[in-house]
Amino acid sequence: GEDVEQSLFLSVREGDSSVINCTYTDSSSTYLYWYKQEPGAGLQLLTYIFSNMDMKQDQRLTVLLNKKDKHLSLRIADTQTGDSAIYFCAEMGANNLFFGTGTRLTVIP
Amino acid sequence: DSGVTQTPKHLITATGQRVTLRCSPRSGDLSVYWYQQSLDQGLQFLIQYYNGEERAKGNILERFSAQQFPDLHSELNLSSLELGDSALYFCASSVEGGGAFEQYFGPGTRLTVT
Repeated sequence: GEDVEQSLFLSVREGDSSVINCTYTDSSSTYLYWYKQEPGAGLQLLTYIFSNMDMKQDQRLTVLLNKKDKHLSLRIADTQTGDSAIYFCAEMGANNLFFGTGTRLTVIP
Repeated sequence: DSGVTQTPKHLITATGQRVTLRCSPRSGDLSVYWYQQSLDQGLQFLIQYYNGEERAKGNILERFSAQQFPDLHSELNLSSLELGDSALYFCASSVEGGGAFEQYFGPGTRLTVT
């Protein structure tokens, strides 16, 4: 079955760039996603990338996809304290999403 | 605000009891998905409904069931509750039935079983 792996924690200083990494197993996934979960809140869809793309940029967010290595990353430029949250990568299955364990991003002022 | 609503926000109940969680999808969305988020299992897909019919099943226990009504809202029923059922239950919705293209999540219902 699908298996999505992420590192559990990341700390960065305010103003620096954050890079959150993810590996997945299902090479047939057509879409890959990044969701953000703030404390006590639901999951917010941040961005997604179609599997035939290598990169997608959306304001401060850059998604890189290496399909050969099944590696996905999310770069947040100029990280702010409001970016502190858990970030989940997910791959699309036939009918649902398969989520990674989530990476807790802590931004140090 | 994703447009997906869930009630109640919090629920505390005892082992052996039965509860019902409710979800209203975004306007125009036909698909509803239920997910469970727990510390040990992470985020797991439970079940999907599309326009009133069950479309896909994930790791849903037999003690759990769901349905989607003609007005497209959905209910997740959890019975014979155990301590291990304590978790956050999320509902998500999307326009399409297959492909799960863009799913929008509700704020969740936190269930505590004592």
